[in-house]
Amino acid sequence: NAGVTQTPKFQVLKTGQSMTLQCAQDMNHNSMYWYRQDPGMGLRLIYYSASEGTTDKGEVPNGYNVSRLNKREFSLRLESAAPSQTSVYFCASVYGSTLTEAFFGQGTRLTVV
Amino acid sequence: GQQVMQIPQYQHVQEGEDFTTYCNSSTTLSNIQWYKQRPGGHPVFLIQLVKSGEVKKQKRLTFQFGEAKKNSSLHITATQTTDVGTYFCGNAGGTSYGKLTFGQGTILTVHP
Repeated sequence: NAGVTQTPKFQVLKTGQSMTLQCAQDMNHNSMYWYRQDPGMGLRLIYYSASEGTTDKGEVPNGYNVSRLNKREFSLRLESAAPSQTSVYFCASVYGSTLTEAFFGQGTRLTVV
Repeated sequence: GQQVMQIPQYQHVQEGEDFTTYCNSSTTLSNIQWYKQRPGGHPVFLIQLVKSGEVKKQKRLTFQFGEAKKNSSLHITATQTTDVGTYFCGNAGGTSYGKLTFGQGTILTVHP
């Protein structure tokens, strides 16, 4: 089992460009998450999907959109990238509704210039 | 999840010293989770606490959940260089079904 797979691992964008970060899990998990990690700010929740077919805003949703394509895949889209979106992005997934262990992907390091 | 505040932000210790990080909330937490992130890596689950006053141990790590379920701590006895990393506490669910949020993390450095 691969667990949680994120693509790409690294990306450089110019201000105003768009891109989609991909996340897929093969553990039959119900809930999926997108976080950004910045120095001194910890892990901040961008969007989450508690179950297939639902998505909800987290703590810092502005500038992002998400799609829960199916149970396995949860993508994060930046429509018009800004330097403030330079960060490390992590996708995570959790099995079931009672929320136990979260499994994280390896992360995507995004730089917006 | 409810908002949790984590302190300290940084901790530098000599190898062999003890280390503690704390998570605090103004509201009652349904649960608390702890994760470790090695430098350059991704967060990895350590443990979840759900009961008032719960104490769990993993070798040199001791996790506590307060009686009022508003705070939690992670204590490492006799730190080793392999303990280096960022420790996060997280809170799942609560009034927002499926939501999982984290504190700011404590960055631990261990000097040999």
